[in-house]
Amino acid sequence: DAGVIQSPRHEVTEMGQEVTLRCKPISGHNSLFWYRQTMMRGLELLIYFNNNVPIDDSGMPEDRFSAKMPNASFSTLKIQPSEPRDSAVYFCASSPQGTTNEKLFFGSGTQLSVL
Amino acid sequence: GQQVMQIPQYQHVQEGEDFTTYCNSSTTLSNIQWYKQRPGGHPVFLIQLVKSGEVKKQKRLTFQFGEAKKNSSLHITATQTTDVGTYFCADKHQTGANNLFFGTGTRLTVIP
Repeated sequence: DAGVIQSPRHEVTEMGQEVTLRCKPISGHNSLFWYRQTMMRGLELLIYFNNNVPIDDSGMPEDRFSAKMPNASFSTLKIQPSEPRDSAVYFCASSPQGTTNEKLFFGSGTQLSVL
Repeated sequence: GQQVMQIPQYQHVQEGEDFTTYCNSSTTLSNIQWYKQRPGGHPVFLIQLVKSGEVKKQKRLTFQFGEAKKNSSLHITATQTTDVGTYFCADKHQTGANNLFFGTGTRLTVIP
């Protein structure tokens, strides 16, 4: 079975540009999470969806960040405009919530560098 | 956001030595999960603990949940170079809430 698929693996952009990160969760998983990882702040939960509906977006840093999940097999995280302090690894994870084993399956991440 | 504290932040051990990382919370946890992230990789689920005082073992790894469900530990016996990575605990503070918050992590280096 394919795991969580993220694209791109690496993104280098200039300050002010729009960045879109993509995620395909594992088929059948009904919860999807976006995390950001930096040395200083560790793994931060940005937003989580359940059945395609955003449940908790309190971790989204500011209005420049937005996330969508138009269907059960696709989600995007958009940063507009991007800033150097957004440089980080962004992970998407999915989970079969509602079962006794609610572990997260992570994608390989997107390494974002904003110059 | 909510975050559990892990200690130590870093640990260097000689191959064959034991290693322990601790996860502490000021509030009661409904359950706790442990993940391992290899350098350059992504977090991978290891185990979930639910019951007060629960102890689970996976080969050389022993996981424990405190009696008050406010702390947890991961102990590795006789470390190997394949154990290198960062170990995270992750928690859900409220039963039924699905957001999972990760601890600060402990980065383990094993010296051959």
